[in-house]
Amino acid sequence: GENVEQHPSTLSVQEGDSAVIKCTYSDSASNYFPWYKQELGKGPQLIIDIRSNVGEKKDQRIAVTLNKTAKHFSLHITETQPEDSAVYFCAAANDYKLSFGAGTTVTVRA
Amino acid sequence: DAGVIQSPRHEVTEMGQEVTLRCKPISGHNSLFWYRQTMMRGLELLIYFNNNVPIDDSGMPEDRFSAKMPNASFSTLKIQPSEPRDSAVYFCASSLALRGGEQYFGPGTRLTVT
Repeated sequence: GENVEQHPSTLSVQEGDSAVIKCTYSDSASNYFPWYKQELGKGPQLIIDIRSNVGEKKDQRIAVTLNKTAKHFSLHITETQPEDSAVYFCAAANDYKLSFGAGTTVTVRA
Repeated sequence: DAGVIQSPRHEVTEMGQEVTLRCKPISGHNSLFWYRQTMMRGLELLIYFNNNVPIDDSGMPEDRFSAKMPNASFSTLKIQPSEPRDSAVYFCASSLALRGGEQYFGPGTRLTVT
């Protein structure tokens, strides 16, 4: 089955700086890569996703890149704000089944 | 626009008791997923329904777990009998697409079995 590895497990950044989270996957058939943000006591919230026919996608301060050859994808958050503090999960899917990374706890220092 | 609705939000029960978790997917979505989240194992898919039919239940841990989807707007996950190791947060998610579609999660049910 699919195996998704996510790094780092924790990330502390100064407000206004950028944050980068990296994931690798094992199944070359995976073709859908969403990112979720989970705040304490809430369910995961889809923040951005990318499909295998696209190399990069951006939505305001958030961007995701995908390198299918190397089987890795990354989340970039620019101009971080305190409300960006949360746990972020990457996932990979072929068909309906999402395989999640272990999560990255992001703390934005004011 | 209501998202995925889950009830109860918190459940505390004693070992051996039956537990029923409920989910209402987003209206119009035809795929429904039950996940379990623990510190040790992260987010795991338990079962997947498409058009109310169970498609993949390979993630259901044991026969003590069962799930139903009697109609397009309601699903239940039942644990009978419950055990302390079932303590976790259980999420329901729904999606419009059959394959590779965006999944939207509910707020979860935090289950504690003592």
